[in-house]
Amino acid sequence: KQEVTQIPAALSVPEGENLVLNCSFTDSAIYNLQWFRQDPGKGLTSLLLIQSSQREQTSGRLNASLDKSSGRSTLYIAASQPGDSATYLCAVNTGFQKLVFGTGTRLLVSP
Amino acid sequence: DTGVSQNPRHKITKRGQNVTFRCDPISEHNRLYWYRQTLGQGPEFLTYFQNEAQLEKSRLLSDRFSAERPKGSFSTLEIQRTEQGDSAMYLCASSFANYAGSTNEKLFFGSGTQLSVL
Repeated sequence: KQEVTQIPAALSVPEGENLVLNCSFTDSAIYNLQWFRQDPGKGLTSLLLIQSSQREQTSGRLNASLDKSSGRSTLYIAASQPGDSATYLCAVNTGFQKLVFGTGTRLLVSP
Repeated sequence: DTGVSQNPRHKITKRGQNVTFRCDPISEHNRLYWYRQTLGQGPEFLTYFQNEAQLEKSRLLSDRFSAERPKGSFSTLEIQRTEQGDSAMYLCASSFANYAGSTNEKLFFGSGTQLSVL
């Protein structure tokens, strides 16, 4: 059974810092890995999707890497801003878009 | 650009009552998904439609749960005889797959329906 773990569970940083969020999964047989952002009481916003054949994806200040063989992904956020405060979820696609999610990392960026 | 719309946003009900939620996906999207999220957890997959066909159901979806997508557009999720353990955020998502076996399209989520069973 696929299990996804995210570390740390919570992170508090001052504005401007670069930071790394970690995601690990137990079964390397995945189609892709996605990173989402969730604001309190809201739905999820897709940030980046890395296909199983890819090593990384970039969007603006965000960079996500994937090492499928070791079951790891990282989300790098450069020059963090207070507006980045949210919960970040990673999810692996095990087929038919049946995503298995981690429990998320709650990020707080203080001004 | 209208995203995925879910109604109602909040639903409070008494144990034993039936509830129905509606999801309107992005108009050209042919796939629709339901997920459930409890406090402090990531979402869990419930079911998935390709057009009007329900192709996958999680074991989490007990006999009290039924989902439909009658014309391949909007979808409804009904919970019969609600229990306190059904209290959760129910999330709908949609995507466009340009071929039947596609697995790499992005999902777009709605804001969810928060269910509280008293």
